[in-house]
Amino acid sequence: EPEVTQTPSHQVTQMGQEVILRCVPISNHLYFYWYRQILGQKVEFLVSFYNNEISEKSEIFDDQFSVERPDGSNFTLKIRSTKLEDSAMYFCASIPSITGGNAHNYGYTFGSGTRLTVV
Amino acid sequence: DQQVKQNSPSLSVQEGRISILNCDYTNSMFDYFLWYKKYPAEGPTFLISISSIKDKNEDGRFTVFLNKSAKHLSLHIVPSQPGDSAVYFCAASLYNNNDMRFGAGTRLTVKP
Repeated sequence: EPEVTQTPSHQVTQMGQEVILRCVPISNHLYFYWYRQILGQKVEFLVSFYNNEISEKSEIFDDQFSVERPDGSNFTLKIRSTKLEDSAMYFCASIPSITGGNAHNYGYTFGSGTRLTVV
Repeated sequence: DQQVKQNSPSLSVQEGRISILNCDYTNSMFDYFLWYKKYPAEGPTFLISISSIKDKNEDGRFTVFLNKSAKHLSLHIVPSQPGDSAVYFCAASLYNNNDMRFGAGTRLTVKP
């Protein structure tokens, strides 16, 4: 079964450093997402991406965050200057399309996540 | 922004009995509701969904009930199995929106 792959599985970084979290969505999927889950809290939407541009973003996704799809397969989340409160599990997800109720009938396919620890 | 709430952080049931997981929401405009299951060290996996025009959807041992007037949905698992032990997330979205709002999750433990 096709998978969404995320690397690394765990990243430890110093506060103020830049981090790049990587995701390889399923190859025929067109919509890509980043979510995060701070330990013990809910899964929070960060950003959605379609056709090489951001389609929606949450209030969490400020100027410190950026996403790109540099080579048609990888989908990356960059945090420019990490803060302690950025420590969380970051999940990438993808779906083939959002038409026809796709996302709602079949859900997103999530990766296993990257645990980011900012020290 | 607490649009989707799961007020019970944990639930423990005996194998073979019914598990009932609850979820409340505040936005009456939500069109779809979904349940995801998450095992440790894995991402959430889609379990079952329901449209706001329905009040019940069933898939094998899993049934989701929607009460729009109460802004409440529940997931029933019958019979519960030890392999069902996981964290269950409720999620909701608008049809024309790209983002999905999740609850905080309920950890279900099914005891043999």
